Amino acid sequence: DTAVSQTPKYLVTQMGNDKSIKCEQNLGHDTMYWYKQDSKKFLKIMFSYNNKELIINETVPNRFSPKSPDKAHLNLHINSLELGDSAVYFCASSQFTGGGGELFFGEGSRLTVL
Amino acid sequence: GENVEQHPSTLSVQEGDSAVIKCTYSDSASNYFPWYKQELGKRPQLIIDIRSNVGEKKDQRIAVTLNKTAKHFSLHITETQPEDSAVYFCAASMGSSASKIIFGSGTRLSIRP
Repeated sequence: DTAVSQTPKYLVTQMGNDKSIKCEQNLGHDTMYWYKQDSKKFLKIMFSYNNKELIINETVPNRFSPKSPDKAHLNLHINSLELGDSAVYFCASSQFTGGGGELFFGEGSRLTVL
Repeated sequence: GENVEQHPSTLSVQEGDSAVIKCTYSDSASNYFPWYKQELGKRPQLIIDIRSNVGEKKDQRIAVTLNKTAKHFSLHITETQPEDSAVYFCAASMGSSASKIIFGSGTRLSIRP
């Protein structure tokens, strides 16, 4: 009964390729997020969706495109992958937006760009 | 800008001693301050949080204090145990309607046996 699940867990690909990461939550939350954690462990917010509507876009390059088909799913597509995109990408959800409460994180998707 | 600063970046304490991690935030409108623990290879998980209308909150061996005037908050862990070894992140709600959670840079806590 995983609350927030991401696939794939590991992703190794070549520079220039396009890849997607999928996320699903079964908590009934309205808000979902993508965070990027780099090799120095910095956790940086990328996007946030509230009930399928984009509410936060943290000046992420256009190569990153989130999509939320419904409020339980938030996917991340990355075009033309670069070496600097290598990181762990965490999906998260919360019952309320931002200051409303706990973020529930998925297990993370480790992306390695060669 | 929207910023949360966290110190120290690494902390090593003897088992049984206390550990303190400090954070400052930039947005005076921030009203929610959670702390997350991330064990090696795992996801971050909430361990305690505090809202702006409260100055202190305690849960067994962990406590958080908030000074809104100075815009800083701290995590205190007493009677540390080996399982407390992890990376700890402070965070604060920021942005319009406090809609996003901004994290500090993390503190790697090691407990010496």
